[in-house]
Amino acid sequence: NAGVTQTPKFRVLKTGQSMTLLCAQDMNHEYMYWYRQDPGMGLRLIHYSVGEGTTAKGEVPDGYNVSRLKKQNFLLGLESAAPSQTSVYFCAIGRGSSQFFGPGTRLTVL
Amino acid sequence: RKEVEQDPGPFNVPEGATVAFNCTYSNSASQSFFWYRQDCRKEPKLLMSVYSSGNEDGRFTAQLNRASQYISLLIRDSKLSDSATYLCVVTATGNTPLVFGKGTRLSVIA
Repeated sequence: NAGVTQTPKFRVLKTGQSMTLLCAQDMNHEYMYWYRQDPGMGLRLIHYSVGEGTTAKGEVPDGYNVSRLKKQNFLLGLESAAPSQTSVYFCAIGRGSSQFFGPGTRLTVL
Repeated sequence: RKEVEQDPGPFNVPEGATVAFNCTYSNSASQSFFWYRQDCRKEPKLLMSVYSSGNEDGRFTAQLNRASQYISLLIRDSKLSDSATYLCVVTATGNTPLVFGKGTRLSVIA
């Protein structure tokens, strides 16, 4: 997966629980992204970062927080999980034709 | 109006057939265009970039029509392994996030 890893691969949460998804890269890219993918909805951008210490909101940021304390890691946090956050979460790095995706995290919120 | 629109399909075609997908985009400031491929339960992967002059990669041909704001992907001599979802992707500049269409599903049948 071109040096992009996501942890965990699968997770089941109960409503109200919190968790953090980790995206790690070894390609030294400045840009990192978090997307969610739901049936019939396509990929939607949650948050992104253009460099260490920076973050920005995407299309669907509500209910999520992110941090980019180190260049190689981009964390996505769910403070109080809701069933509507059941989805597949993809991390991506790079820009334009050099954008690569991680393998995804399948999250189910009961 | 959605920023990037695609016919979701599915397109069911026999092996060896030629199939074409179209995609329309609404942002006239869009500068970069791509086709991504996504296999079932996998991450999206770049298939090819789309240039104003059109470009070809083996059995795949991509074209851009800026005046009408649409992008096309032509697959010749379809193989079973071409079965996947094809995502149309645009971005305004190299520094702005990619915007994904919902994808067109292709099934190539023996």
